Amino acid sequence: GESVGLHLPTLSVQEGDNSIINCAYSNSASDYFIWYKQESGKGPQFIIDIRSNMDKRQGQRVTVLLNKTVKHLSLQIAATQPGDSAVYFCAETYGQNFVFGPGTRLSVLP
Amino acid sequence: NAGVTQTPKFQVLKTGQSMTLQCAQDMNHNSMYWYRQDPGMGLRLIYYSASEGTTDKGEVPNGYNVSRLNKREFSLRLESAAPSQTSVYFCASSARQGRGEKLFFGSGTQLSVL
Repeated sequence: GESVGLHLPTLSVQEGDNSIINCAYSNSASDYFIWYKQESGKGPQFIIDIRSNMDKRQGQRVTVLLNKTVKHLSLQIAATQPGDSAVYFCAETYGQNFVFGPGTRLSVLP
Repeated sequence: NAGVTQTPKFQVLKTGQSMTLQCAQDMNHNSMYWYRQDPGMGLRLIYYSASEGTTDKGEVPNGYNVSRLNKREFSLRLESAAPSQTSVYFCASSARQGRGEKLFFGSGTQLSVL
């Protein structure tokens, strides 16, 4: 992912709308990806994962899309709710450990 | 089911002081990790323990030491704290190390070094 310095990119979404959060990963050899949600003052919480042999995976209200051609990952949240407000970041694995992106702050507007 | 428990939640140190961050997991996981999180940056791996009895350096190990006390516990020690170590520290665990293994995180320790 790209470094964004001290300030995270912010996505503001109206309550009830769909959210799309994007992530560019760095290594074409990465074969497993996870999206995490981090609320203020808390640790990262697993949302959904996807392996490189898949293009799409759906969970409850969330969908992850993987485009290996351009090394891009996206998280779609349907019918965004106030409780979805948090920082979301992706993680890729190649080798034995994870590499984490800096994250995107999702702000849900009433 | 507590998952991953970290103590303390907050700590303020003076430059040169030492302290140990504690971490315990109750999921019978083999692998444990220490990360630091700085504003606007992704989590960075300090040290990890793939299994009980082993520890290895991560991306940013300088100034830290770790101990895998047993399968449940993995501690992180700052021998002589520096302002550059002001950060939020997260402990994590996974069933085993490697591809396809989810990391489960504790709630973090916010450390300030003055």
